[in-house]
Amino acid sequence: EIVMTQSPATLSVSPGDRATLSCRASQSINSDLAWYQQKPGQAPRLLIYGASTRATGIPARFSGSGSATEFTLTITSPQSEDLAVYYCQQYKNWPLLTFGGGTKVEIK
Amino acid sequence: EVQLIQSAGEVKMPGESLKISCTTSGYSFISYWIVWVRQMPGKGLESMGVIYPGDSDTRYSPSFQGQVTLSADKSLNTAYLQWTSLKASDSAIYYCARVEVAGVAHWGQGTLVTVSS
Repeated sequence: EIVMTQSPATLSVSPGDRATLSCRASQSINSDLAWYQQKPGQAPRLLIYGASTRATGIPARFSGSGSATEFTLTITSPQSEDLAVYYCQQYKNWPLLTFGGGTKVEIK
Repeated sequence: EVQLIQSAGEVKMPGESLKISCTTSGYSFISYWIVWVRQMPGKGLESMGVIYPGDSDTRYSPSFQGQVTLSADKSLNTAYLQWTSLKASDSAIYYCARVEVAGVAHWGQGTLVTVSS
């Protein structure tokens, strides 16, 4: 089973800063990685797939990069509405999926 | 419009059985895998397993094999998640979602299951 590890667990950023979230896979998953945003009380929302392609309607301040085992989600100039938990997910073993443990983003 | 509508929350006692549902519309139900995801209180997302309604091919994540059963009714465009004997540790929000080629773009609203004596 592929294990996904996210860091840090919590990230506190000021509006206008850059937020950098990391995700590591226990083995190579090529670019079969997605990122999700989950706000309190809501279902997750797909942000990024294919490691770097934004999903429909996702603002340009969200960007993804990486391949193989190391991936990054960057939020450029985070807004207050970006307060959420962010999850990475591998789908190399599609249709079986595995999520990372999540990174909580706090806005100062 | 693709929609996945889940059944209402449930309060059960340990040892009871339960079946929750996920009714879909706006797309061909038999053509996409459905994933069930558990979220325990204050915790992260865990993929439980997937089912392909077209032929009922079902695959479970190792942690959930033997603990739950996934099923689907093509005539009702509905997927199900069921337990035969609930435990307190089954208390969680359960989401169904449609699996795309890359990622999961369409989610149900979640069903809260509370197991308490």
